[in-house]
Amino acid sequence: DTGVSQDPRHKITKRGQNVTFRCDPISEHNRLYWYRQTLGQGPEFLTYFQNEAQLEKSRLLSDRFSAERPKGSFSTLEIQRTEQGDSAMYLCASSLGDRGWNSPLHFGNGTRLTVT
Amino acid sequence: KNQVEQSPQSLIILEGKNCTLQCNYTVSPFSNLRWYKQDTGRGPVSLTIMTFSENTKSNGRYTATLDADTKQSSLHITASQLSDSASYICVVRSGTYKYIFGTGTRLKVLA
Repeated sequence: DTGVSQDPRHKITKRGQNVTFRCDPISEHNRLYWYRQTLGQGPEFLTYFQNEAQLEKSRLLSDRFSAERPKGSFSTLEIQRTEQGDSAMYLCASSLGDRGWNSPLHFGNGTRLTVT
Repeated sequence: KNQVEQSPQSLIILEGKNCTLQCNYTVSPFSNLRWYKQDTGRGPVSLTIMTFSENTKSNGRYTATLDADTKQSSLHITASQLSDSASYICVVRSGTYKYIFGTGTRLKVLA
């Protein structure tokens, strides 16, 4: 399967702990996005990478959130000192960027985070 | 402010019936509009894309329309099946890399 892969699928953690999620995009895709989705809502933008460069980060994102994409391949999203309000589905998506103007975002199946 | 609004929020129909979902957007600049289907616990999957010059596009039992003047789009599902039960999300691409998401319409198809 050459789709977007996310790991883990589910994570339960206690408030105050740090968590890290991983995303492996489709191999030739140069653009990578992280979104957060809560029940009954559409995905909310968190951050965007073009290759290894993080070009935009949501102003809604506190400094407890950090993302990396070393070497422009896989990406990690870390949440420090988790809070109950961080409980959500975290979605990763990738796309071809300018080479495929109408190419879609390809989403992974997300990591569901529950903070107790 | 860039916004995508969808209606209805939720919809219940009987198997075999048709339905139409609506999307209104105020997004500038506009690049394209895409409808996604999201099954529970899964990531969204693209159904169809509409560019500025396109009015109608079909993908099997799904037909999307776009009126760029009124900034409205619709997704029509014909002869619904149980497997159509999902959330349908309207997404507008703005510029080269920004995507504005609607909150989705939750469709439930009953046998």
